[in-house]
Formats: sequence, C-alpha cells, structure tokens
Amino acid sequence: DTAVSQTPKYLVTQMGNDKSIKCEQNLGHDTMYWYKQDSKKFLKIMFSYNNKELIINETVPNRFSPKSPDKAHLNLHINSLELGDSAVYFCASSLIAGGIGETQYFGPGTRLLVL
Amino acid sequence: QKEVEQDPGPLSVPEGAIVSLNCTYSNSAFQYFMWYRQYSRKGPELLMYTYSSGNKEDGRFTAQVDKSSKYISLFIRDSQPSDSATYLCAVTNAGGTSYGKLTFGQGTILTVHP
Repeated sequence: DTAVSQTPKYLVTQMGNDKSIKCEQNLGHDTMYWYKQDSKKFLKIMFSYNNKELIINETVPNRFSPKSPDKAHLNLHINSLELGDSAVYFCASSLIAGGIGETQYFGPGTRLLVL
Repeated sequence: QKEVEQDPGPLSVPEGAIVSLNCTYSNSAFQYFMWYRQYSRKGPELLMYTYSSGNKEDGRFTAQVDKSSKYISLFIRDSQPSDSATYLCAVTNAGGTSYGKLTFGQGTILTVHP
C-alpha cells in the first residue's frame, strides 16, 4: 500500500490554465505538507496543514491555494499557470507538526510542465 | 545568502569509495539536522537525523554535526552503485512555531559506478 500518494503523476498544460494536484496519506498522520522542487533539485516548503488547519504558509503567489478537506487529504489548486510554475510538486506527511525527530514521508511527486 | 548551502556536485566515485557530503547553515536556531536520499523520479526519504554535535552512525552511513561551525556532513563508507541518488541535507528548529518546517540544501547528485 502506498503511504503518501499523489495524482496525477504528470501534468502538461498551457500557460493561463487552472489545475489541481491531489494528495492522500493512509498513515494516520495529522500533518501534511506541499513542497516545490525546481529543476536544480532545490526543495522548498510551500504550505503545511495540521488536522485541516493551515500552519505554514510560505511566500507563495496567491495563485496557489491549498485545501485540506480532512486530515488524510491535501490538495493544491493553481490558477493562471505560468512557465515558472514548472517543477515537481511533492506532498509529504508527518505524525505531528514539529515533533523532535519527526519524520516526513514524501509522496512520489507530480511533474508539472507549463508550456 | 541561503539558510542552508550544500555542495551541488555532481559527485562521481568508484564503488567502494568513501563519500563525503557537506552542508553549512547560517541560523544557530536550527537544532535538528537530517539527511534525505532521493532516487531518480522518487520522493525524498529520511536517511538519518541528529540533534547534537558529534557523530551518529547507521551501518555504512555516518552523520556528523559541528554546531560551533554550523557544518553538517554525511559520510558513506564502502559506497555501492545502489547509493547513487541525490542527497539533501535539511535543518529545522522543531517545535514551537516552526511546525516541522524543514529547510533544505540544494542537494548533491551522487553517482557510484561499478
């Protein structure tokens, strides 16, 4: 069973479109995260939710809007896609937020290409 | 200046070599230090974490932290082709308002050739 899953795995779309990425975890964790990894492998946190409450909101364009319908799911909606949004987006989860030695478990990533 | 700087590599070594991967960080508030390994087209996975200066060993892997110089290292002994991956250092101050926010280095691509 996949612990953290994301759909879709690949997303190719035109500039200006709106798209969503979905994430689900079956680990029973309270906290979920969205990360963006650029072409140089630099991984940067975007958002985090703890039990459906937004707790980390980094400096991200407001075209990006996360939503957590329940603590097992975290979605990312992106409006008016731009070329610079092309990246790999990773979802992650952890048992709690900020626990000592807390492990974050990452999903397989969604490769977004904006043309 | 980035909060965490990591030698980007790429690094190519023969099988059996000792590999040294390094990061420096700027904020002394960071207390917990991690190494993640990311295979091609996969998500990162936690390899090791430590929270104090000194060494922590796990099999062929040793994580080393020097808080006085804000320097963290990962050593891989007897490297294997299966170690070929991108290695990402990560730091956090854990607890409080950090909410588990990890700050990553830019990753080092390692290739171990037979």
